[in-house]
Amino acid sequence: EADIYQTPRYLVIGTGKKITLECSQTMGHDKMYWYQQDPGMELHLIHYSYGVNSTEKGDLSSESTVSRIRTEHFPLTLESARPSHTSQYLCASSEYKNEQFFGPGTRLTVL
Amino acid sequence: AQSVTQPDIHITVSEGASLELRCNYSYGATPYLFWYVQSPGQGLQLLLKYFSGDTLVQGIKGFEAEFKRSQSSFNLRKPSVHWSDAAEYFCAVGVIRSGGGADGLTFGKGTHLIIQP
Repeated sequence: EADIYQTPRYLVIGTGKKITLECSQTMGHDKMYWYQQDPGMELHLIHYSYGVNSTEKGDLSSESTVSRIRTEHFPLTLESARPSHTSQYLCASSEYKNEQFFGPGTRLTVL
Repeated sequence: AQSVTQPDIHITVSEGASLELRCNYSYGATPYLFWYVQSPGQGLQLLLKYFSGDTLVQGIKGFEAEFKRSQSSFNLRKPSVHWSDAAEYFCAVGVIRSGGGADGLTFGKGTHLIIQP
């Protein structure tokens, strides 16, 4: 079944650690996105990709980085996590007219 | 830049009653419009979408939405809510930006729906 996956679902980590949030999709979509969502708030676009080797920053400034080496994978990395990075991170993919399909999200807590 | 306004932060509805969630957008042309639902700790599920054509669109779980160009609105409706409809609802605008920039979605702040027994 075509779907979009995110791991881990929950992550609690100490300040200064390097973390990578995984996102993969089996829908064959070229476009992928990362959104950040604070509790009770709207989603903000932080990164997007239109295909392999294409990555751009989104509307909300983020210290995270992304890579797109394979169509199906779009991992997000924080080199040195800080408490201000505590949030939910949602990955999405799209093929047509901005219709986006979302993964279940990763809830990150940095102590 | 485009924006989305959901004026109701919380709405409480009795089970079996009808529901309308409001959404207004700001954009120079007709955008693509979406409603998503998010249950606690989960990702977003697409309820319905509007690209063009018939202004009344049907979605999953018995939801519908009506696009009104004159009011820049895309309100979500359901004739009879169920307890399982309790969740956060997000309206979103999708635009294709000429000259660069992401064609990602711009979201409203969401409406938290509470269902009373």
